[in-house]
Amino acid sequence: EPEVTQTPSHQVTQMGQEVILRCVPISNHLYFYWYRQILGQKVEFLVSFYNNEISEKSEIFDDQFSVERPDGSNFTLKIRSTKLEDSAMYFCASSAQGTQETQYFGPGTRLLVL
Amino acid sequence: GDSVTQMEGPVTLSEEAFLTINCTYTATGYPSLFWYVQYPGEGLQLLLKATKADDKGSNKGFEATYRKETTSFHLEKGSVQVSDSAVYFCALDNYGQNFVFGPGTRLSVLP
Repeated sequence: EPEVTQTPSHQVTQMGQEVILRCVPISNHLYFYWYRQILGQKVEFLVSFYNNEISEKSEIFDDQFSVERPDGSNFTLKIRSTKLEDSAMYFCASSAQGTQETQYFGPGTRLLVL
Repeated sequence: GDSVTQMEGPVTLSEEAFLTINCTYTATGYPSLFWYVQYPGEGLQLLLKATKADDKGSNKGFEATYRKETTSFHLEKGSVQVSDSAVYFCALDNYGQNFVFGPGTRLSVLP
């Protein structure tokens, strides 16, 4: 069964450094998402992406964040200058048709900012 | 805005006990409703979903019925197993919006 994959599974970085989290969505899906989950807290929506542009973003997704689909398979989340409070599990998801379609989640990347 | 409320955990049950995890939502229109499960150290997995009122989603012995009159989507299982220990998230997806997750309910099943 096709699945969403994410790399790396864990990343440790110093405050102020840039990180890029990578995701490979399910191949025939057209809508892509990033979520984060701070340890012990709920899953929060960050951004959705369709047709090579952001379709919606939350308040959390400020100028430090950006997303890109650099080729036909990868979908990346970049944090330009990490802060301690960016430490979280970041989940990528994809869906075939967008709203009200099932979103399939990757296993997540655990980011730790020191 | 849209929101999802779940019963607070943790919920601790003995094996073969009956499980109910309450979920209620606030949303305009007719959202789709989902239950996701997160096993220890893993990502989110879709457990079941319902897309319209009175639909029942079911999977792996879990069930939830979309009740528009009570804006609820309670998760039930007749006989839980130790392997069901996980965090369960209720979520909604409203047309034109994006997923809103509840805070999660941690379930521990003891042998």
